[in-house]
Amino acid sequence: EVQLVESGGGLIQPGGSLRLSCAASGFSVSSNYMSWVRQAPGKGLEWVSVIYGGGTTQYADSVRGRFTISRDDSKNTLSLQMNNLRAEDTAVYYCTRGAPSDSWGQGTLVTVSS
Amino acid sequence: EILMTQSPATLSVSPGERATLSCRASQSVSNTLAWYQQKPGQAPRLLIYDASTRATGIPATFSASGSGTEFTLTISSLQSEDFAVYYCQQYNKWPQTFGQGTKVEIK
Repeated sequence: EVQLVESGGGLIQPGGSLRLSCAASGFSVSSNYMSWVRQAPGKGLEWVSVIYGGGTTQYADSVRGRFTISRDDSKNTLSLQMNNLRAEDTAVYYCTRGAPSDSWGQGTLVTVSS
Repeated sequence: EILMTQSPATLSVSPGERATLSCRASQSVSNTLAWYQQKPGQAPRLLIYDASTRATGIPATFSASGSGTEFTLTISSLQSEDFAVYYCQQYNKWPQTFGQGTKVEIK
C-alpha cells in the first residue's frame, strides 16, 4: 500500500527556517516524480516543487531561491528545506507522488507568524 | 506560467442531478490535464488524468473531456459524497499550475 506521511510543520517566525520531511512506503521515491504542494488556509492548491529522475528539481517562482527539495533514496524520504520564511508561506504542505499526483500525504501545517 | 481558470466558482446542484465543471488553460496543454476532488479537512484525491482517464477506483459517474485549452468534468448524478471542491491542474509545463477550484454545493 502506498503511504506518504509528512512531518516537521509548526509555528515559525518570519525569516526563520524549517525542514519538512515525508516518509514514503509501498514504493520508491527514487523512481517517481515527488512533489510538494501547499494550500494556504481557506485557499486553493499551489504546486511548490518537484524532484525526479537523477535529482532534477523544479520550483515555483514564489519559493525559488528560498526552498530546496531533496530526497534520501536509502531512507525513502522526501524533504523540503524552507529558509527565509514569509507570512505568505503559511499553509498546509502536502507531499505527493507522481505527475499528476496520484497519492497524497495528510499534510503538515506551517504557520509563519511573529 | 500557464494560467488555469475554472468556472463557475460555485455550483449549486440538487442530489441526483448532473454537474458540469469547466477549466480553461491560458495556452495549450495538450491532454496533460488532471482533475482532483477535495473534501473539507482531507487531502485532494486524483479523479482524472490525461484529460479523460479515470484514476484507479473512481466511479464511472465521473467523466471528463477536452484537449488543448478547454476541458470539462462531468458528474452524471450527484451523490452526497460528491459535494466537494474540484481542481484542475496542468502538468504539461513546469511549473505545474492549478485552477482556483469549483465548489460543488447542495442546492
